[in-house]
Order: sequence, then structure tokens, then C-alpha cells
Amino acid sequence: QQQVKQSPQSLIVQKGGISIINCAYENTAFDYFPWYQQFPGKGPALLIAIRPDVSEKKEGRFTISFNKSAKQFSLHIMDSQPGDSATYFCAASIKTGANNLFFGTGTRLTVIP
Amino acid sequence: DAGVIQSPRHEVTEMGQEVTLRCKPISGHNSLFWYRQTMMRGLELLIYFNNNVPIDDSGMPEDRFSAKMPNASFSTLKIQPSEPRDSAVYFCASSLTSTTGSYTFGSGTRLTVV
Repeated sequence: QQQVKQSPQSLIVQKGGISIINCAYENTAFDYFPWYQQFPGKGPALLIAIRPDVSEKKEGRFTISFNKSAKQFSLHIMDSQPGDSATYFCAASIKTGANNLFFGTGTRLTVIP
Repeated sequence: DAGVIQSPRHEVTEMGQEVTLRCKPISGHNSLFWYRQTMMRGLELLIYFNNNVPIDDSGMPEDRFSAKMPNASFSTLKIQPSEPRDSAVYFCASSLTSTTGSYTFGSGTRLTVV
């Protein structure tokens, strides 16, 4: 059973455009929502993360939007660049108890020049 | 810090052979995770350790898989006997328990079983 559902599976965006990746969850005990970025041949790397006490977090061109009532969160990449081409994973975890991340299935982003 | 170090980077082995993957976590991290990544299933958690103790191994696919963490700076994932369906990229990650959800991944071991 997939704890975190992610869409789309793949995404093609023109350089300068906005990339949007969406995730949804069911477990209301989740209270930490990171996004990981993975380049070919590398392991996933933490990109940005949010806790449910805020609705938005921005770091440079990357923004997480969080909707607690809908149990959804999304990653927005503004002014997308070819160097952003990678696979993006959303994830969720519970702060207390087991230190365990539940990953989404990933979105392969391609930014074309 | 050199990050999480995995070896080997690539492994090609014949079906039935034993395979051992190795991981050195970041010094000071007290949680260690083994993941498997395939196109079909994405990232799957196999097992994780907290303070060298296995906490949850429910993701280990079958008895052919075993993992150990003899000390805080070393872990192994063993597959015996290996099968072609075990072909995947295996990642090790580590974190501080106090920073739940913030993992540092190694570069992975690409395993091919022929």
C-alpha cells in the first residue's frame, strides 16, 4: 500500500516554465514532508522540506505548498532550468517514534532548452 | 565528511552466487537504512537500524536477504543465493534520529544478476 501518492510520473517543461509535482497522503500522523532530488547515477538528496504548521515554504526557485485539510502537498519549480532535470520524490514521516520515511513513486522531470 | 560510502558501485554476479553490499554511514548518524530502487517499484525500504539494532526488516523480500550492522560505522546487506530478479540499485542512507526525515543517501550499488 502506497502511503504517499505522487503525480505525474513524468513531466516535460520548457526552460523558464513552472514545474509542478503533486503528492497526497492519508495518514494524519505524518508531520514532516521532504522532497528529494535524484540525478542519474546518484542517490536521492534532500531538496526542501515542510512541516504542517505552515502552508508554504520557499527556497530559491523551489516552493512547497501544503494543504493540510486536503492532505496534499506540491513542489513548484519556478523558472525551470535544464539542470533541474532529475527525478523528484516526495516523502512523509512521523516526527516521533520510528524514524521512517515513506516515499512517493517519483516524477521524472525533463526541462528542455 | 565524505558522506555515506557504499561499495562496490557496480556488481555483476551469476545467479546462485552470494552478494555482499557494504555501507559506511556518516559519522555520528545513529540511523541507517537500506533501500532498493527499481523502475517498477521505485524506492523500497528493506530494513533500518537504530543505534546498530535492526528496528524494522519487514521490507526484506525473503530469507535470501540479510543485513547486519556490527558497529556504528559499518553495515552489510547480503543476498544468498542471488537471483536475476534481485537486479536493482541498492542504496544505503543514514540520519540522526533527532532529524527525522532528513536522510543522506550513498551513491548506490548497481547489482546485476545474470
